[in-house]
Order: sequence, then structure tokens, then C-alpha cells
Amino acid sequence: GAGVSQSPRYKVTKRGQDVALRCDPISGHVSLYWYRQALGQGPEFLTYFNYEAQQDKSGLPNDRFSAERPEGSISTLTIQRTEQRDSAMYRCASSPGQGNEQYFGPGTRLTVT
Amino acid sequence: AQSVTQLGSHVSVSEGALVLLRCNYSSSVPPYLFWYVQYPNQGLQLLLKYTSAATLVKGINGFEAEFKKSETSFHLTKPSAHMSDAAEYFCAVKNYGGSQGNLIFGKGTKLSVKP
Repeated sequence: GAGVSQSPRYKVTKRGQDVALRCDPISGHVSLYWYRQALGQGPEFLTYFNYEAQQDKSGLPNDRFSAERPEGSISTLTIQRTEQRDSAMYRCASSPGQGNEQYFGPGTRLTVT
Repeated sequence: AQSVTQLGSHVSVSEGALVLLRCNYSSSVPPYLFWYVQYPNQGLQLLLKYTSAATLVKGINGFEAEFKKSETSFHLTKPSAHMSDAAEYFCAVKNYGGSQGNLIFGKGTKLSVKP
């Protein structure tokens, strides 16, 4: 079946612009996670949803970052007033439940110029 | 709090040689441990996982890892490297802290395979 998909795969934006990154999880997966991966580093946790409820946003670096999953399926990660330090690979993962293994999408490479 | 450390950001082996990628973890509770592989322009793919059953875990593509509590290690091995194994490998531990099971990753080890 279809895996986790993310769009766009690549995004170049100018500093100060807002961006929205989309994640479409595996059908039926309850849990959805967002991670950010800087060059040469492993992914770092940003936020987590169980169905439509945002259970944990402790990894969001500041209030320019927000995420939603209004119908418990597709999720959007929004970064307002982007800065160069926001440049990274943003990864989404879904899971059948919080205790199960996570399946990752291909990621969105964000470059802020 | 949990953490993982991957020793060696780059490992190079010859085709047919043993692959050994090192991972040490820190955890105050019995850990759940994972190895993921990332091929260029692809997402992270689960290789194998340890969830407190057998200490020797077999994964896909001929990889296996052994959980050693006394050494706090979960090293990844493969007896004979193939060219197709060239990729970046991440060790991860499940977080039992505030979040509902997000993963904490190491910095990754890039594996090169020489013909």
C-alpha cells in the first residue's frame, strides 16, 4: 500500500516568508510525528498527534512553528516568518499507535535564502 | 532521559567484508531500540528493532543487532557487505519522557562500500 507522503519535496523560500509543509500518513495510522533533521545530524522531534489532538509540542523551537491535523489524517507544519536557521529536512512519520514502530516519509528539504 | 551515541560518522568497508556500526544508549528504563537506514533521496526505513524479547535481533537485508545490557550497546552488523548497503544508518531509542514514544536518534553513520 501507499506509504507516508510529504509535499513539497523541496521548498526554497525567502527569509520572512511563511511556509506550509504537508504530511499524508499511511491510511488508518493514529499517530503522527514531525521531526527536523539538520545536515549531519539525526532527526529531532518537533511535535506529535494522536488522531487530531496535538499531544506534545515540546520540540517546536519557538512560536513561529505550529502544526495541525484537523481531521486526524493529513497534517500541516507551518513556519511563519522563516529564518535561515530554519533550513533543514523536515520529516513526518506515522504509526498505527503510539507504541508501534514509525514509518517515515521522504521528507521536505526546506532552504531559506 | 534517553539518548544514543553512534561512534564514527563515516565507516568504509570493502565489498564482502564485515559491517559493524556502533551504537551505545543511555536509558533509565528498559529501552526500545531501533536501527533505521536512509538511502539517498528516500525516507528512513526500519531495519530492525529491539523490544525486550530476544537479545539478538534479525532485520532486513541480512542485518542483525545484539542488545547487550552490560555494555549498553546495540551494534549493527552484517557478515558480508554489498555495494547496495551504502547508505546512512541511524540508531534510535524510544523516548519514555514527556512525549508519547517519539524516537531519539543518534547523529548517524554513513557507510561506504568499496568494490
